[in-house]
Amino acid sequence: KAGVTQTPRYLIKTRGQQVTLSCSPISGHRSVSWYQQTPGQGLQFLFEYFSETQRNKGNFPGRFSGRQFSNSRSEMNVSTLELGDSALYLCASSGDSSLMNTEAFFGQGTRLTVV
Amino acid sequence: AQSVTQLDSQVPVFEEAPVELRCNYSSSVSVYLFWYVQYPNQGLQLLLKYLSGSTLVKGINGFEAEFNKSQTSFHLRKPSVHISDTAEYFCAVSDHTGGFKTIFGAGTRLFVKA
Repeated sequence: KAGVTQTPRYLIKTRGQQVTLSCSPISGHRSVSWYQQTPGQGLQFLFEYFSETQRNKGNFPGRFSGRQFSNSRSEMNVSTLELGDSALYLCASSGDSSLMNTEAFFGQGTRLTVV
Repeated sequence: AQSVTQLDSQVPVFEEAPVELRCNYSSSVSVYLFWYVQYPNQGLQLLLKYLSGSTLVKGINGFEAEFNKSQTSFHLRKPSVHISDTAEYFCAVSDHTGGFKTIFGAGTRLFVKA
């Protein structure tokens, strides 16, 4: 079974630009979560999508948005990039909210650098 | 609201020595607890999880953790570490109310020395 795939692995953008990151979950998984990881703030929850609906949201500004498609693939968009958005963005997929599917499987992440 | 505190940001230890990485959590509801490991330039990998039942949980790579409800702790232990255990370790909590939302601690960097 293929794991969680995130593309691209590395990205360099300029301040003010926008960026879209992609995540393909494990086949059959319907929940996709996004996290931002930085040395100073650690792992911070951005949002979770389940069956094309945003089910949970963290405390990030509206510049951070996401969506999920009918095949469970998810995209995350950041508009008007700031230097502080430089981070490793991790995507995690999970089966559903039942007790037997509590484990989150993580992709390798997309390293975003804003210059 | 839930929160997770990892009490040590860095833990240096000699190879073959035992290690304990400490984690405390707070939550107003019953929670599920996890330990993840992250190697450089990689995503996170699940080491072990506590959902219910036995409070001593065994995971991969010889790690185990004990859930202590009265002390709201979930410390990770390994009796004998290897150089290859050098990595960042994250404790996490999830309550699965209204969806999947896992909150992570700040991480503990385990550095195993020869």
